Amino acid sequence: SQKIEQNSEALNIQEGKTATLTCNYTNYSPAYLQWYRQDPGRGPVFLLLIRENEKEKRKERLKVTFDTTLKQSLFHITASQPADSATYLCALELPPDSWGKFQFGAGTQVVVTP
Amino acid sequence: DAGVIQSPRHEVTEMGQEVTLRCKPISGHNSLFWYRQTMMRGLELLIYFNNNVPIDDSGMPEDRFSAKMPNASFSTLKIQPSEPRDSAVYFCASSSGLNNQPQHFGDGTRLSIL
Repeated sequence: SQKIEQNSEALNIQEGKTATLTCNYTNYSPAYLQWYRQDPGRGPVFLLLIRENEKEKRKERLKVTFDTTLKQSLFHITASQPADSATYLCALELPPDSWGKFQFGAGTQVVVTP
Repeated sequence: DAGVIQSPRHEVTEMGQEVTLRCKPISGHNSLFWYRQTMMRGLELLIYFNNNVPIDDSGMPEDRFSAKMPNASFSTLKIQPSEPRDSAVYFCASSSGLNNQPQHFGDGTRLSIL
């Protein structure tokens, strides 16, 4: 396993602004990195996957970047809305023979205010 | 399509009692994961199965914890005897078992040991 760091402090942001979350890791660079959203009382829900040879991935208002040199992934929510308020977790593939196994960060809470 | 189904949603029991958590994965998924989530430690992988066979149980905290997957559509996580420090939210997730595929989570079992 390795150490995965996400901002522990909540990110408070005004509606319409861009929220940027970081996910830093310390050891090996995974071949795959995923981002999940978790609402209170619910299980995490998959949002995006990015491969090590991809610099950027987009899905609607979401954008993920992956920099294996910096050992960092950034997650952006553009034109944020109150409905985007949730905790966002990054997850790194765990080699070898991972069988789809990932290690999760602790998550960053995002609060979008109108 | 039905997602991952966990039962019960909430469990409150006294220390020393046996606790059994249940999970029905998504049909066709051949990897199943049990996680524990707490404020202090985040989302921890306890054990995972591939094609009903336990692959890695290194995350199981103690011998008091055991997990089984008797068939492709059912898994249990048992704690015997339970202790107050086992209080947490326990999640089950399933996936196709490939590293580039997402995990699908149930809504968890909130376990409180008094």
